[in-house]
Amino acid sequence: GAGVSQSPSNKVTEKGKDVELRCDPISGHTALYWYRQSLGQGLEFLIYFQGNSAPDKSGLPSDRFSAERTGGSVSTLTIQRTQQEDSAVYLCASSTASGPQETQYFGPGTRLLVL
Amino acid sequence: AQSVTQLGSHVSVSEGALVLLRCNYSSSVPPYLFWYVQYPNQGLQLLLKYTSAATLVKGINGFEAEFKKSETSFHLTKPSAHMSDAAEYFCAAIYGSSKTGNLIFGQGTTLQVKP
Repeated sequence: GAGVSQSPSNKVTEKGKDVELRCDPISGHTALYWYRQSLGQGLEFLIYFQGNSAPDKSGLPSDRFSAERTGGSVSTLTIQRTQQEDSAVYLCASSTASGPQETQYFGPGTRLLVL
Repeated sequence: AQSVTQLGSHVSVSEGALVLLRCNYSSSVPPYLFWYVQYPNQGLQLLLKYTSAATLVKGINGFEAEFKKSETSFHLTKPSAHMSDAAEYFCAAIYGSSKTGNLIFGQGTTLQVKP
């Protein structure tokens, strides 16, 4: 079956522009996670969705970052007024439910470069 | 703070040699533990996970890991390395205090396999 997909695979933008990153989770997965992978910080958690609600936004690095999920499926991560330190690979993962017993399946990521 | 530590950012072995990648967790209460592999320009793939059912966990591609509470460790091993094992490996944990099940990652270990 289809795995987690993300688009675009690569994005180059200029400092100060807004960007939107998309994640299509595995069908039927209610839990969705966004992570960021950068050279300086490694892999870090950004935000978690259960259905369409985001009970945990603690990992978002600043108020320039926001995310939403609609229809319990597709999620969009938006970065406003991008900065060079936002350059990273943004990974999305989904699982059948939240909790440690559930395996998170990762998408291929969106590689963001802010010039 | 709860964390995961991977000793050695770079490990190099010869083809056919033993692979040993080290991982330690920080809590006195054992978390759920995972090993993921990342091939270039791809997302993370689950190798194996520990959920307290058994201390020796077997995963895909011939990898296994042993949970040792006394050492707060979850090292990954493979008896005989193949060239195709060259990749980056991440140890991760979900601590019991987590309400969302988000993964906390180690810094990663790049495995090089020499012919």
